[in-house]
Amino acid sequence: DAKTTQPTSMDCAEGRAANLPCNHSTISGNEYVYWYRQIHSQGPQYIIHGLKNNETNEMASLIITEDRKSSTLILPHATLRDTAVYYCIVRVRNSGYALNFGKGTSLLVTP
Amino acid sequence: GAGVSQSPRYKVAKRGQDVALRCDPISGHVSLFWYQQALGQGPEFLTYFQNEAQLDKSGLPSDRFFAERPEGSVSTLKIQRTQQEDSAVYLCASSRSPPGERPGELFFGEGSRLTVL
Repeated sequence: DAKTTQPTSMDCAEGRAANLPCNHSTISGNEYVYWYRQIHSQGPQYIIHGLKNNETNEMASLIITEDRKSSTLILPHATLRDTAVYYCIVRVRNSGYALNFGKGTSLLVTP
Repeated sequence: GAGVSQSPRYKVAKRGQDVALRCDPISGHVSLFWYQQALGQGPEFLTYFQNEAQLDKSGLPSDRFFAERPEGSVSTLKIQRTQQEDSAVYLCASSRSPPGERPGELFFGEGSRLTVL
């Protein structure tokens, strides 16, 4: 699976958009981009995934660059409850069973 | 229940003691995963079951770690002769279909926090 690089931490003001970047410059054509988040003392929670097109759901939007070497998770109106560690994971659909979470980005949403 | 349930939520064990951690996945979910999360780190894969078959145990750190899912539903992770380095949160996750069929989401439980003294 391709390696991902994320900033260690980010801040965002409540009500503003939170844009979380992820670099995956070695991604191959059949690898998906997944995002999970983990709120303190809870298990990780699935947010969204995509292959090449931008995706949106009730939680977030995922913007993948045309060359697919990077992506951005967008939380359009961050709330205090969005404070969490956000993990960007790249994997091949049929590559096996493990998700490599890495260390993620610790997002702090401030009042 | 509606989600993945794990028990106990907290376990304190003396070094050398055996522990067993239980996972009740979402009803009907084919896939079940165990992950280990050390303090300040992301979760790391331990093992995977498809129904009752353990298809991947490449992440188990030693032969002291053993997992089973005999009837394809509830799973137990057993750690024998616990060591201090086993202290971590053990997360269980389930998903509706096998990983290869769709890039589906995993539903995680809240984890079992093991502290080995």
